[in-house]
Amino acid sequence: LAKTTQPISMDSYEGQEVNITCSHNNIATNDYITWYQQFPSQGPRFIIQGYKTKVTNEVASLFIPADRKSSTLSLPRVSLSDTAVYYCLPLGTNAGKSTFGDGTTLTVKP
Amino acid sequence: KAGVTQTPRYLIKTRGQQVTLSCSPISGHRSVSWYQQTPGQGLQFLFEYFSETQRNKGNFPGRFSGRQFSNSRSEMNVSTLELGDSALYLCASSLIARGGLNTEAFFGQGTRLTVV
Repeated sequence: LAKTTQPISMDSYEGQEVNITCSHNNIATNDYITWYQQFPSQGPRFIIQGYKTKVTNEVASLFIPADRKSSTLSLPRVSLSDTAVYYCLPLGTNAGKSTFGDGTTLTVKP
Repeated sequence: KAGVTQTPRYLIKTRGQQVTLSCSPISGHRSVSWYQQTPGQGLQFLFEYFSETQRNKGNFPGRFSGRQFSNSRSEMNVSTLELGDSALYLCASSLIARGGLNTEAFFGQGTRLTVV
């Protein structure tokens, strides 16, 4: 089962770009890399999902190299409201069995 | 469209009691997964149901059980509650794409269970 590794915490300032990297060495062929954002006492919120190369939506970009053993979530110009825990999760036929891991606590400072 | 709805939002139970939590997925989503979140253990997968059948199961004792109805609504039951069962219980719904792959999962707000 895919195990993910992320930095425990990161600090940034408003307006900066933040890159959070996730390692998933045992990712399965059918798994998509999915990133979530969670605020205290709320359910995780879907941010972005990708399989390979680069995916971009209105809130973030996701970079996945050819070997798919890692991925990087890029948040452009963060604001104070982006302070949250960010999780990466391989999603496929074994949805959920690859646990969320500890996530990365991002703190954005003014 | 309506999101994932979990009821109740908050619950206080006594040790030894049992509890049933409910989750209504997004319309059209047939996969429902349940997670337990505690400060010490993080987000842990309990089980996943698809088309009324349990498709995946995490490493939780048999006191934790679930079921899914024909309308995709799911319930989770915990019997003989212990203090350590106090947690935020989250459910997530997702579509199942061709090949049985889950698309992105959408989470509910969770049920905060406190066992005293």
